[in-house]
Amino acid sequence: DTAVSQTPKYLVTQMGNDKSIKCEQNLGHDTMYWYKQDSKKFLKIMFSYNNKELIINETVPNRFSPKSPDKAHLNLHINSLELGDSAVYFCASSQDRADYGYTFGSGTRLTVV
Amino acid sequence: ILNVEQSPQSLHVQEGDSTNFTCSFPSSNFYALHWYRWETAKSPEALFVMTLNGDEKKKGRISATLNTKEGYSYLYIKGSQPEDSATYLCASGGFNKFYFGSGTKLNVKP
Repeated sequence: DTAVSQTPKYLVTQMGNDKSIKCEQNLGHDTMYWYKQDSKKFLKIMFSYNNKELIINETVPNRFSPKSPDKAHLNLHINSLELGDSAVYFCASSQDRADYGYTFGSGTRLTVV
Repeated sequence: ILNVEQSPQSLHVQEGDSTNFTCSFPSSNFYALHWYRWETAKSPEALFVMTLNGDEKKKGRISATLNTKEGYSYLYIKGSQPEDSATYLCASGGFNKFYFGSGTKLNVKP
């Protein structure tokens, strides 16, 4: 049983398209996150939701819109995709605060052509 | 934004060697530090969560120490094995926001 699962694993799409990445966790965690691995391989936080409520929005373009229908799911919708959006996006969850450590999904490699 | 730095960027050791690498972070307003192990094509996996100055944690051949006053943590691997080959990430922060270093990529040659 995968604890944090993301779909799709790979996504290739054209500039200007709108796409979504889905994330689900079966750990009963209260908090979920989206991280982006940038070109220098750093993992950078984008968003965090706690019990369906947005608690962190880290200066991300508003073309990126997270949606949390319930505390087990956090989806990422991206409008008008740009070349610079190409990256690996990781979903993660934690039990309440991240002080206790994250459980990561396996990542979605997004390529915008 | 916290500046978390890791060194070295990469490391090549022989099987059986012991090794260590460093994570540096701002010492002011320290809350917690994480170490993760990240194998290629997999997701980062938590190794240690450390909060107290002087903390030492151990899991098998891997251990970590924490100095919050000077802002660094060391990760040690005793008797490296090829299966230890991975990128080791550290992250510092608090509550729901942690900032990651770029990792130390370890390659253990048989």
